[in-house]
Amino acid sequence: KNEVEQSPQNLTAQEGEFITINCSYSVGISALHWLQQHPGGGIVSLFMLSSGKKKHGRLIATINIQEKHSSLHITASHPRDSAVYICAGGVYNNNDMRFGAGTRLTVKP
Amino acid sequence: NAGVTQTPKFQVLKTGQSMTLQCAQDMNHNSMYWYRQDPGMGLRLIYYSASEGTTDKGEVPNGYNVSRLNKREFSLRLESAAPSQTSVYFCASILGTASYNEQFFGPGTRLTVL
Repeated sequence: KNEVEQSPQNLTAQEGEFITINCSYSVGISALHWLQQHPGGGIVSLFMLSSGKKKHGRLIATINIQEKHSSLHITASHPRDSAVYICAGGVYNNNDMRFGAGTRLTVKP
Repeated sequence: NAGVTQTPKFQVLKTGQSMTLQCAQDMNHNSMYWYRQDPGMGLRLIYYSASEGTTDKGEVPNGYNVSRLNKREFSLRLESAAPSQTSVYFCASILGTASYNEQFFGPGTRLTVL
């Protein structure tokens, strides 16, 4: 079993829909990272959180430390949101990071 | 600032050949990382360097060596390439440690070993 599990693996939505991507982890982490990988392959960091909730534009990330679960929400989705979204845990007291396999999101116009 | 740069962008090798992937960052970050990304799998850590002169093995270090040449540069060497090393390789850097800081990624190197 992977230490960081994401669901769903693939997600197709219509423009305007509310989207949720889930991440569960079993490794002890100090922070949970959400990354976006563009169709061209580049990876950018969206959020880093260790508790509660963060919001950036139409993106919202939440984390429940007790349940070892995080969610990434996209409101009013747009075709430009189409990408692979990756969840990663910064391992506690360590330089290591453990990554989920990613969720491929396609938003259709 | 260029951020994190990697060279080359693409490479094709024959089994047994050697090559070095180069990575540099201009953000004065302490920690640098090499990952590989394979279809259907998450990014996996090959090696990391918490500071100049130090390197540590990650999850999948076999078949690779690294050098932290200075604070800016962190190279990954394949001494004798194997088809199992066909992958996309990403370099990343962080100001502090992975736990508490944002990672910045290079554009990736797509390597094919025939």
